[in-house]
Amino acid sequence: KAGVTQTPRYLIKTRGQQVTLSCSPISGHRSVSWYQQTPGQGLQFLFEYFSETQRNKGNFPGRFSGRQFSNSRSEMNVSTLELGDSALYLCASSLDGTAAYEQYFGPGTRLTVT
Amino acid sequence: AQSVTQPDIHITVSEGASLELRCNYSYGATPYLFWYVQSPGQGLQLLLKYFSGDTLVQGIKGFEAEFKRSQSSFNLRKPSVHWSDAAEYFCAVGALGTGNQFYFGTGTSLTVIP
Repeated sequence: KAGVTQTPRYLIKTRGQQVTLSCSPISGHRSVSWYQQTPGQGLQFLFEYFSETQRNKGNFPGRFSGRQFSNSRSEMNVSTLELGDSALYLCASSLDGTAAYEQYFGPGTRLTVT
Repeated sequence: AQSVTQPDIHITVSEGASLELRCNYSYGATPYLFWYVQSPGQGLQLLLKYFSGDTLVQGIKGFEAEFKRSQSSFNLRKPSVHWSDAAEYFCAVGALGTGNQFYFGTGTSLTVIP
């Protein structure tokens, strides 16, 4: 069974631009969560989608948004990029989105904002 | 407020020695507790999880963790460390009804010396 895939793996953007990251969950998984990982803040929860609906949202500004498609693939978008948005963005999928089921993480997308 | 504290930023152990990584949490509801490992350039892999029942849980790669409610701790242990265990370790907490909105500690970096 293929794991969680994230594209692209590396991205360099300029301040003020916007970016879209993609996540393909494991086949059959309906929940997709996104996390931002930085050396200073560690792993912070961005949002979770389940069956195309945002179910949970972390404490991030509205510049961070996401969506999920009917095939469970998910995208996250960051508008008006700031230097502080440089981070590893991790996507995780699970069967039904409850803590009872393991989250499987993708390798991440490394975003650098210059 | 929910939080997870990993007091040790970096630990160095000799191969074959025992290991204990500390994790303390603050969570209003009954917590679900997790330990994840992250190797360089990779996503997170679940080592073990605690939901209820026996407070000593066994995980993959020979790891175990003990839940102590009175101390709000969930420390990770391994009796004999292997060089391949060198990685970043994260403790996380979630709860029933919150989906996959997990709170992660800032991580402990493990170095294994021969």
